[in-house]
Amino acid sequence: DAGVIQSPRHEVTEMGQEVTLRCKPISGHDYLFWYRQTMMRGLELLIYFNNNVPIDDSGMPEDRFSAKMPNASFSTLKIQPSEPRDSAVYFCASRLDHSGNTIYFGEGSWLTVV
Amino acid sequence: DAKTTQPNSMESNEEEPVHLPCNHSTISGTDYIHWYRQLPSQGPEYVIHGLTSNVNNRMASLAIAEDRKSSTLILHRATLRDAAVYYCILRDKFQGGSEKLVFGKGMKLTVNP
Repeated sequence: DAGVIQSPRHEVTEMGQEVTLRCKPISGHDYLFWYRQTMMRGLELLIYFNNNVPIDDSGMPEDRFSAKMPNASFSTLKIQPSEPRDSAVYFCASRLDHSGNTIYFGEGSWLTVV
Repeated sequence: DAKTTQPNSMESNEEEPVHLPCNHSTISGTDYIHWYRQLPSQGPEYVIHGLTSNVNNRMASLAIAEDRKSSTLILHRATLRDAAVYYCILRDKFQGGSEKLVFGKGMKLTVNP
């Protein structure tokens, strides 16, 4: 299994630009999570989906952030417009329901907004 | 959510056992204790989890106190590859509709050669 695949791995963008982060979960997994990690705040859950439906987006910082999951094998996290304080590592993770609680993380997308 | 407390950091020597403590005095009867670790420049990875009994797998052992207010992750022979940030997390068995896994700041383990 290829694991959770994220792209891009690294992105540097200018303030005000739109950023789209992509995730392919492990095939067959029912849950998909988006996390953000910074030195100050640690690892925070932004949003999660179950069977492609957003269940809890209470961690999404503000309206500039949006996430979609159009099908079981693809999700996007979009920031529009981006700001320097959005600089962080964004992780996508997936989990199989009734799996015994193990969540599998991707390698992350390292975002720098200048 | 019930909270866990870990030291900020620990050091160990290669090929020696390491005991990583975690306090969770407000744990509820339905909370599982999970451990994840994050190697440098990687996403977190699952290590082990348990409810009441001690657990062993190929990566580590989890020793849970009888009152469940604390637990210890045991790496039997630390290697350089075990240098990582370790997260001790509680997750309700019944969820209540939430799948949130709250990671906190974790504990940085340094392994000396």
